Amino acid sequence: ILNVEQSPQSLHVQEGDSTNFTCSFPSSNFYALHWYRWETAKSPEALFVMTLNGDEKKKGRISATLNTKEGYSYLYIKGSQPEDSATYLCVSRGDTGRRALTFGSGTRLQVQP
Amino acid sequence: DTAVSQTPKYLVTQMGNDKSIKCEQNLGHDTMYWYKQDSKKFLKIMFSYNNKELIINETVPNRFSPKSPDKAHLNLHINSLELGDSAVYFCASSQEPLDGPGNNEQFFGPGTRLTVL
Repeated sequence: ILNVEQSPQSLHVQEGDSTNFTCSFPSSNFYALHWYRWETAKSPEALFVMTLNGDEKKKGRISATLNTKEGYSYLYIKGSQPEDSATYLCVSRGDTGRRALTFGSGTRLQVQP
Repeated sequence: DTAVSQTPKYLVTQMGNDKSIKCEQNLGHDTMYWYKQDSKKFLKIMFSYNNKELIINETVPNRFSPKSPDKAHLNLHINSLELGDSAVYFCASSQEPLDGPGNNEQFFGPGTRLTVL
């Protein structure tokens, strides 16, 4: 994998459902992985930054895991609420040269009340 | 207080004009950035700048130039605007530089929607 790929592109769930989505990133020369939450008409806000293989981070009902050997991260939302509706961006930071940031295109989550 | 602010929020202009977008951050960060959100909604970094170094994405046309009057400001100047420059432009800042050891968490501004007619 050369780029950051997120799946699915969009997701509709009912309030109370738990959901998860995937970020795939280049596993070679890995430095860090960021997750951002981006609400419509607002700017992206940082959720997590993870660096170590096996890292798990949690913030309220949202958690994330990291596998640097195979190059993927999962974001989980437990008991989705309408206010969770947003685009979730994954950003990979490589460890070559300038440690460039590569953004995925995001997973757009819509939670129906 | 808005941490990272941009003006204007919307900018509509004619092809061939020169325009600027202003960005200010009150977080005391050392590094600021400009991003372009392309038609597929990807965010792509255009510039990274701290008081020591400007890092340019080589794919950015030289019609685009960042200007930093001080550490808290990074303005984006665009000369001879083209139709393809229409996009949303985001300013951001971080405590650490792009190649620094820290987590480089980005704090984004609200975006400026540029429309070139």
